[in-house]
This record gives sequence, structure tokens and C-alpha cells, in this order.
Amino acid sequence: DVKVTQSSRYLVKRTGEKVFLECVQDMDHENMFWYRQDPGLGLRLIYFSYDVKMKEKGDIPEGYSVSREKKERFSLILESASTNQTSMYLCASSLSGTGTAFFGQGTRLTVV
Amino acid sequence: QKEVEQDPGPLSVPEGAIVSLNCTYSNSAFQYFMWYRQYSRKGPELLMYTYSSGNKEDGRFTAQVDKSSKYISLFIRDSQPSDSATYLCATDYGGATNKLIFGTGTLLAVQP
Repeated sequence: DVKVTQSSRYLVKRTGEKVFLECVQDMDHENMFWYRQDPGLGLRLIYFSYDVKMKEKGDIPEGYSVSREKKERFSLILESASTNQTSMYLCASSLSGTGTAFFGQGTRLTVV
Repeated sequence: QKEVEQDPGPLSVPEGAIVSLNCTYSNSAFQYFMWYRQYSRKGPELLMYTYSSGNKEDGRFTAQVDKSSKYISLFIRDSQPSDSATYLCATDYGGATNKLIFGTGTLLAVQP
């Protein structure tokens, strides 16, 4: 079974803090993604990476950055957390050309 | 117009009912069609995956794609309380990066 593991299930951070969300996959997938999920808005793509050190902006990249130094690990960074970044963050990975993605359990981030 | 439209529900049915969940999409270039199931406070899990048009059956679940009308359906037979979850449809162009486009999800409640 594909396993995508997110480092935290729940996080509470203060406004202005730098926040790191970590994601690791164990299936040698080329592609990795970060989404946020909000009620009524569905899943929105923040950033994705199709190879080590490669990244592309998704639909809502503002206020976020990413890092992919190793194939299995994809990090999402909130440079200066704000209350409007309170959300559920979901990491996913996929094998190129398969048309499917596998998700982690999610990190519920609250910024106060 | 959103690329993938999905009725948010909620949809409430009695145990044993046949459930029909539906999405429409706007871009005829989409090649892959997925259904994900998401339990409360968990990450989405891949339920069904179809390439191009046609039907696919897996136990009590049937996924149907009609590319001529740009319509995606998921049928659940003999629904169970454990099927209560949010169901997300997703599509993909089929390129190497698998950048999925999601509907907003339909909340289903199966009453015992």
C-alpha cells in the first residue's frame, strides 16, 4: 500500500511564526502536491513538484513556499503565518502518467 | 465556470438504498476520472479510478463516465452507515504531472 505520512495531525501556531509542514511518501513517486481544504471551497492546489528540486505554483501559492531536496520528502513552508491560513493541509503523491494521487491524513493548522 | 461542478449535498439516505453521486466537468481534454472518499478529519482515499468513458465496478461501487455529456457518476448499492463520508470527484488531463482538479465534494449520510 502507498503510504503518505504528514508529520503532524494538529498544529497551533501564532501569527507571524514560520511554519513547516512535512510530508514523506514511501512509493518512489515522482509527483508530490500540497493542497489546502476549506469548507465550501474544496481542495485547492498550493504547490506541486514533479522531481527533486523542481516545483511549480498551483492555484493559491501566495504566502507559501516549498522545498523538495529528496524524492520522498516535500515540505510546505508558511513564511509568516496569518489567521487566514488556518485550514486543513493535505499532502499527496502520484506516479507520473497514472492519473491518480494518494493522500496523507492531513494537518489541521490553526493560526491564532 | 468551475472546471468540475459537484452538488455539495448533504445527501441523506436510509441504509440499503442505492446512492447516486454526480459531477459535471467542462473540459473535454480530461482523460482520467477518480472518486475519493473522505471521512471526517481524515485525508481523502482513492475509491475508484476510470480512464476515458465507460463503467467500472468494484464490489458495491460503480463508477460511470459519459464523455459525450461530460458527466461522472458514482453509484453505491446496498448503502451502509459506514459509507457516510464526503465523496470527491476528480479529473486529470493525463499529463506527467497528474495535476488533479477536484469537485467540492458531496456529504453523504446513510441512516441506520
